[in-house]
Amino acid sequence: NAGVMQNPRHLVRRRGQEARLRCSPMKGHSHVYWYRQLPEEGLKFMVYLQKENIIDESGMPKERFSAEFPKEGPSILRIQQVVRGDSAAYFCASSQLPWDSLNTEAFFGQGTRLTVV
Amino acid sequence: DAKTTQPPSMDCAEGRAANLPCNHSTISGNEYVYWYRQIHSQGPQYIIHGLKNNETNEMASLIITEDRKSSTLILPHATLRDTAVYYCIVRLSDTGGFKTIFGAGTRLFVKA
Repeated sequence: NAGVMQNPRHLVRRRGQEARLRCSPMKGHSHVYWYRQLPEEGLKFMVYLQKENIIDESGMPKERFSAEFPKEGPSILRIQQVVRGDSAAYFCASSQLPWDSLNTEAFFGQGTRLTVV
Repeated sequence: DAKTTQPPSMDCAEGRAANLPCNHSTISGNEYVYWYRQIHSQGPQYIIHGLKNNETNEMASLIITEDRKSSTLILPHATLRDTAVYYCIVRLSDTGGFKTIFGAGTRLFVKA
């Protein structure tokens, strides 16, 4: 059973371009969470999705950022018109049950390191 | 969620036990203590959690003081691969695990 797969591992974009980050959850997991980690800082929650639905997007910037988790295929975090401040590591995690139940944990992917030049 | 305090860094000799402390003096009665770690360039990894009793699994042991104001994560035989940032987090068991805040943590350096 493969773990959470994120690709690409590294992504370089010029200012103003779009960045698309993909996350394939573990088999059987229908709950996906996206996080951002700035250099030397902790992870910050961005958005929680469950197949075709956004459950909680309280951590998403209001502009330029969007996320989806279609019925088929990976979850996508999309950043439009990237700026230098978007440079960070973006992690996704998945869980079989909602990650707010006792004894339910989420598993993280290796992350995508976005560099905006 | 209650706030936690951890030392910024610790060293440990390979093969020895690593004891990582955490203070959570404002913990409430229904909040659990969770430990995660983040190895360089990887996503966080769940280690263990507990409420009031000591817990042990294949990765580590968790010792929670009787007043629950502090806890210690014990890696019984640290290896070089245990070098990572360790996060101690206190939260309710049924509320927003996905909103867990991973702060500064303790950087553990395991040395040969």
